[in-house]
Amino acid sequence: AQSVTQLGSHVSVSEGALVLLRCNYSSSVPPYLFWYVQYPNQGLQLLLKYTTGATLVKGINGFEAEFKKSETSFHLTKPSAHMSDAAEYFCAVTKLNKLVFGAGTILRVKS
Amino acid sequence: EAGVVQSPRYKIIEKKQPVAFWCNPISGHNTLYWYLQNLGQGPELLIRYENEEAVDDSQLPKDRFSAERLKGVDSTLKIQPAELGDSAVYLCASSLGPHGELFFGEGSRLTVL
Repeated sequence: AQSVTQLGSHVSVSEGALVLLRCNYSSSVPPYLFWYVQYPNQGLQLLLKYTTGATLVKGINGFEAEFKKSETSFHLTKPSAHMSDAAEYFCAVTKLNKLVFGAGTILRVKS
Repeated sequence: EAGVVQSPRYKIIEKKQPVAFWCNPISGHNTLYWYLQNLGQGPELLIRYENEEAVDDSQLPKDRFSAERLKGVDSTLKIQPAELGDSAVYLCASSLGPHGELFFGEGSRLTVL
């Protein structure tokens, strides 16, 4: 059973536009949720994480994500895209003490 | 502070040949992970170590893959013999403990011809 679904393998936005990357998860217990970013030929870097508490989580580089239990979602947003945001983004959830990743969304930023 | 170091960054081999990847985690990180990342997919856990003990190797194809972390620091992942389908990026990560933040290396990209 798939634990993490990222809608859209590719997303393209104009510089300065809103970035919205979608993530839905399946979990029978309260999940820990993560967003990672991977720049070309680099390792993954943690953007932000939700464990408990406030459902709106702020991360690095102006990104934030909101945990919505009723929608089983953890979408990643940024108000204004920058060229440097072009990368691949992975949503992940802990399952049985493992970190399970989605398939990733490649973000393209047009000038 | 040095991050997770992996080598080699790139490796091209012919099928049926052996290959090995090396990982040096962040100093003091007891937990070490090897992930497999196929093109267009997210990373998948192969094996997790707590110090020198492999605590989760359920996804490691043991017929051809092996891993070791003899002194609880560096780790080596080996494939013998390699198959065409093994072409992928092999990522190493480490964390302070099993629930800590994962820090990833840049990966080792394997191409099997």
